[in-house]
Amino acid sequence: DVKVTQSSRYLVKRTGEKVFLECVQDMDHENMFWYRQDPGLGLRLIYFSYDVKMKEKGDIPEGYSVSREKKERFSLILESASTNQTSMYLCASSSPSSRGQDYGYTFGSGTRLTVV
Amino acid sequence: GNSVTQMEGPVTLSEEAFLTINCTYTATGYPSLFWYVQYPGEGLQLLLKATKADDKGSNKGFEATYRKETTSFHLEKGSVQVSDSAVYFCALRPTGRRALTFGSGTRLQVQP
Repeated sequence: DVKVTQSSRYLVKRTGEKVFLECVQDMDHENMFWYRQDPGLGLRLIYFSYDVKMKEKGDIPEGYSVSREKKERFSLILESASTNQTSMYLCASSSPSSRGQDYGYTFGSGTRLTVV
Repeated sequence: GNSVTQMEGPVTLSEEAFLTINCTYTATGYPSLFWYVQYPGEGLQLLLKATKADDKGSNKGFEATYRKETTSFHLEKGSVQVSDSAVYFCALRPTGRRALTFGSGTRLQVQP
């Protein structure tokens, strides 16, 4: 069964800590994404990557960075965690779409991060 | 820009009732359209999709038709079950773009 695996379901970190969220996919997908999910706001794109070492900013990249050293792994980094980064973080992957062929994303189960 | 608008929730229905969750979108060109479902404590799962105008996506009794003329992709089910209780997200992928844009989600609660 194909999957996207996020390393932690729950994390509690202190303000100012550097936080790493890890995501691994086993589908050989080119594209990987990080979203955060907040009540009433839906999913907002933080960063995505379309190839090893390639990345693009999403809608809310401030306070975050990413790393993709291998095709299957995409890491989200909170450089200095703050309480407003308390959220559910969702990783997803996809293969490239083409006209008439679009399979959307496969999501991980999410990491609920609390910054205290 | 690209955006997705969903009806506000929660939607509360009795078992076997008819479900409609409205979704309209703004996008240039011919986006792909998706419905995702999120059960409590889980990530999102693809429920159904449509990649061109007039396509109907269907899965598990749910259906949605890609309506270009009204820029809509409403989700319907003829008879809901308690197990359908979840949050439903409408999403689009604009032509030539890698990332999906999501709506804010609609919580469905089905009572026995």
